[in-house]
Formats: sequence, structure tokens, C-alpha cells
Amino acid sequence: DIVMTQSPDSLAVSLGERATINCKSSQSVLYSSNNKNYLAWYQQKPGQPPKMLIYWASTRESGVPDRFSGSGSGTDFTLTISSLQAEDLAVYYCQQYYTTPRTFGQGTKVEIK
Amino acid sequence: EVQLVESGGGLVQPGGSLRLSCAASGFTFSSYWMHWVRQGPGKGLVWVSHINDDGSSTNYADSVKGRFTISRDNAKNTLYLQMNSLRVEDTAVYYCARVARDSGDYYWFDPWGQGTLVTVSS
Repeated sequence: DIVMTQSPDSLAVSLGERATINCKSSQSVLYSSNNKNYLAWYQQKPGQPPKMLIYWASTRESGVPDRFSGSGSGTDFTLTISSLQAEDLAVYYCQQYYTTPRTFGQGTKVEIK
Repeated sequence: EVQLVESGGGLVQPGGSLRLSCAASGFTFSSYWMHWVRQGPGKGLVWVSHINDDGSSTNYADSVKGRFTISRDNAKNTLYLQMNSLRVEDTAVYYCARVARDSGDYYWFDPWGQGTLVTVSS
């Protein structure tokens, strides 16, 4: 199984400041035949299901604010919130869809400082 | 509107059984692979099972293999998860999720249902 490890487990950021979440996979999720990274990011607010943010590691889902961006390739990925807003308080998960079983990172809780 | 609505959760004793349902609407259900994902109290997301578009292929997490069975009824636009021999550690919110594209399984999950809570306790 591919193990997904996020860091940090939680972070406190001031409103308007940048938040950076890292995700590392135990093996590459880059598929060489199409040069795509099979890596997604989700946002989960309390009492709600996860919401899709980023797929193919860096493609923003329609309707997601452009302050959210994804980067990275192979085994190392980053989700950046460029200017934290109050509504961004949530837990963020990375997930690989390169192979079965699908696996998620343990989650990173973003709080307001 | 694309929508997934789970039902069937509840309180069950260890060793008991429960069947979850996920009613799909707003898209051609029979064209998409479907998944179940669970989330224990205060815990992260854990993949449970998936089924292909016509129901002929399934897969399970090791933790539920032999106890859970995923199935679908494309005529009723409904996904199921039959859970037998339930354990305390199966307590979780169970989400059904659709893969994002209708051309196979190797896509992210979108959308997700609201989830249904399963509590296994004596």
C-alpha cells in the first residue's frame, strides 16, 4: 500500500497569511505514460463530507478560490493557501488515486492564529 | 444536480449486521465506479471498498475483507454496503463517493455523500 504522510498535523496561521501543507507518498504517484501525478487534495469542514479542491496535483477544481494551489511531483506535494480566510478553517487531506487501496494522508488541521 | 444520499446507519451490537445504501441522482449511475470511505470519530479518512460500473469487479480494504460486501443496482441507481460481523472498530461515518470521470477508476472522488453514522457498541 502507498503510505501518505502529511506535515504538519496542525498549523495556526493569521488571517491573510500563507498556509503550506506538505504531503509525501511512500512511492511515486507519477504515471509516466501520461506524465500525470495521481494526487488529490480535499477540504473537510466540521460535520461535512470532504470537498474536492485540487486534482492531478495542481489542477484546481471549478469554483475553488484561486488562493488554493497545488504543486509537486513524484512523491512530494504541497497545498498552499496564499492568503488565509476565516472560511478556510478545516482539515485538509491528500489522497493518491494511483493504485488500490486508495490511501489518504492523516489530515492537517488549519486554525486561525 | 449530482447527488449521493446515504442511509441505513445506526446502532448495532458487536457481531451484528447492517446494510448501507447510497442513492444516486443527477448523473448516469451505471457509467461510474463507486467507492465507500469511512471516518472514525475524530479520525481521518479510510478507504473501504470499490465496485466497477457494471458491478462485476470489487475490491476491499484488508480490515473489512470477508466481512463487508459492496454491490450495486444500476436499475435503482443505488450502491450498497452489506456489513457483517461488525466490530467496535467499525464505528465510523460511512461515505459513498463517485469517481470524478466516467472512464474508469483512476480519478479522484467527487462528489461525496453526506455520510451515515454506524455505531457498533454493546
